[in-house]
Amino acid sequence: AIQLTQSPSSLSASVGDRVTITCRTSQDIASALTWYQQIPGRPPKLLIYDAARLQSGVPSRFSGSGSGREFTLTISSLQPEDSATYYCQHFYGYPWTFGQGTAVEIK
Amino acid sequence: QLDLQESGPGLVKPSETLSLTCTVSGDSFKTTTYYWGWIRQPPGKGLEWIATISSSGSTYYNPSLRRRLTLSVDTSKSQFSVNLYSVTAADTAVYYCARENTVTSFDSWGLGILVTVSS
Repeated sequence: AIQLTQSPSSLSASVGDRVTITCRTSQDIASALTWYQQIPGRPPKLLIYDAARLQSGVPSRFSGSGSGREFTLTISSLQPEDSATYYCQHFYGYPWTFGQGTAVEIK
Repeated sequence: QLDLQESGPGLVKPSETLSLTCTVSGDSFKTTTYYWGWIRQPPGKGLEWIATISSSGSTYYNPSLRRRLTLSVDTSKSQFSVNLYSVTAADTAVYYCARENTVTSFDSWGLGILVTVSS
């Protein structure tokens, strides 16, 4: 199975900061990567698919980039409602696997 | 408006079978663009994909759980179900059902159901 490693595991940033989360995969997956946001007590929410495509309804401050084995999720200007855990997931063929998550805290 | 809702017992005894059903409202259940998946999340931990089924019954399983799993689908009721056999405390988790879009991955999720394995 493809392994996904996210970094950092957690971060603390201020409102308005630019935040970047990295997801590295154990093999080349082209652009087959999805990002989710999970607020405590809620199911995950799809943010980005195909590495860089913004899901409908997701604020434009979220963006994704990368291909191959390294991917990033960027929040251009952190907002209070962005306090959550973010997960990457590959979509390159079964079995699907997720990264371990990155917890984003607002200072 | 798509809605997915998990149902089943919240408490299962060790060595018994965990059985959950997801009921899908909306008209996408028979569409070949979509598959239907189960994902779980142990308390305080990350996400683990369990398995996926198509409306025609094709199944895809997590290899680490495969020997304890069966999935089924009932298109007449817009439902799909999972059975996880011989459960242990390690199977305690919130279980989510989700729609798997062949383009985007899991684009709609149920609210989840907490299943505790305990005697």
